[in-house]
Amino acid sequence: EVQLVQSGAELKKPGESLKISCKASGYIFITYWIGWVRQMPGKGPEWMGMIYPGDSDIRYSPSFQGQVTISADKSTSTAFLEWSSLKASDTAVYFCARRQQWLVGDYYFYGMDVWGHGTMVTVSS
Amino acid sequence: DIQLTQSPSFLSASVGDRVTISCRASQGIAGYLAWYQQKPGKAPKLLIYAASTLQSGVPSRFSGSGSGTEYTLTVSSLQPEDFATYYCQQFKSNSQFGGGTKVEIK
Repeated sequence: EVQLVQSGAELKKPGESLKISCKASGYIFITYWIGWVRQMPGKGPEWMGMIYPGDSDIRYSPSFQGQVTISADKSTSTAFLEWSSLKASDTAVYFCARRQQWLVGDYYFYGMDVWGHGTMVTVSS
Repeated sequence: DIQLTQSPSFLSASVGDRVTISCRASQGIAGYLAWYQQKPGKAPKLLIYAASTLQSGVPSRFSGSGSGTEYTLTVSSLQPEDFATYYCQQFKSNSQFGGGTKVEIK
């Protein structure tokens, strides 16, 4: 079974650092992009960026560039999302998801077909 | 950045109703659009990719259409399990999600 299992909920103080994880199983980890999505309380999902574990190519959304670091460890089939100094506004659920691709006609199209259960990050003094 | 505008933000419907949700892109996205369903406390679930291709296992009452900047998700006959929030996502340039459409029971 294809699965993405995320690390547990975190309660942190402003200014602290944090690294959350997303462990993949059931497929070849290095051959699919993994994306990260933020969902603030009561709001819609926001695209943060994605990584291709095969060569560590990373694409950040402009809104999140410089605010977080995306990485991956091929040896453990795990993707990570990291903050060096958390703010209260980072309070949200963070999802990882696999980007699948399908050949339709002559072009590849995409969708996030497998999702983690989400990691709730609460930042409060 | 490409912006996605969904409408309506909220709609009230009954079981059996035909429901249509719109997603408008700020520039052409050539069909690089996916639709998701999300229920409270759960991750989004992929319904449609490439604007109109049904993801495996998704009921055929869901359909997608559109091109250029205008896209539509249709539920032909709303079922009780379809009351949820729906989001579009573009993959033409980086990626973004639309603001969502919450479908509630009338």
